[in-house]
Amino acid sequence: AQSVAQPEDQVNVAEGNPLTVKCTYSVSGNPYLFWYVQYPNRGLQFLLKYITGDNLVKGSYGFEAEFNKSQTSFHLKKPSAIVSDSALYFCAVRDVSGNTPLVFGKGTRLSVIA
Amino acid sequence: DSGVTQTPKHLITATGQRVTLRCSPRSGDLSVYWYQQSLDQGLQFLIQYYNGEERAKGNILERFSAQQFPDLHSELNLSSLELGDSALYFCASGTGRGETQYFGPGTRLLVL
Repeated sequence: AQSVAQPEDQVNVAEGNPLTVKCTYSVSGNPYLFWYVQYPNRGLQFLLKYITGDNLVKGSYGFEAEFNKSQTSFHLKKPSAIVSDSALYFCAVRDVSGNTPLVFGKGTRLSVIA
Repeated sequence: DSGVTQTPKHLITATGQRVTLRCSPRSGDLSVYWYQQSLDQGLQFLIQYYNGEERAKGNILERFSAQQFPDLHSELNLSSLELGDSALYFCASGTGRGETQYFGPGTRLLVL
């Protein structure tokens, strides 16, 4: 079975500092990995995905994530946080080999403090 | 704007009632997914349709059903509603395997 863990419910970071939102996953085969962001009273917005190829994936709004197969991780990063990055972030995974749905983590609330 | 539309945006109803939520996927997308988001359960996958056929089923209650029509829009029917069904219901659409799912703005359901 697939699963995703986002170990932090809340991450606080000062504006201008680098941010990391952690995600680890479990799948039986190879993974497709995704990050989404949800602003208040809005739907989930796609940020980036890893399918294959380069382990460092660049996405929208200056975000990037690094796929680490040995650690089964896909942490979301940004070099310099801004206040408007404050939102709820979801990591998601699906197994490449099967017709399985996307499994989401519980979400991490990011607060960027000015 | 993801290109996925959902109606209505808000719905208030009473226990025991039945409601229908509607979703129109992005142009060209054949897959439609339904999710329920609640504070205690997080984002739960309910069901997927692909080109009119049910493709995958998640934690969908027997009181809930869905369908995808020939024009690819989808409806999620919730019946015998309970207080605990109050949640945000999202629809997402995509094109195929390895796909990115694009989410609609959601329907907020409140059961009183």
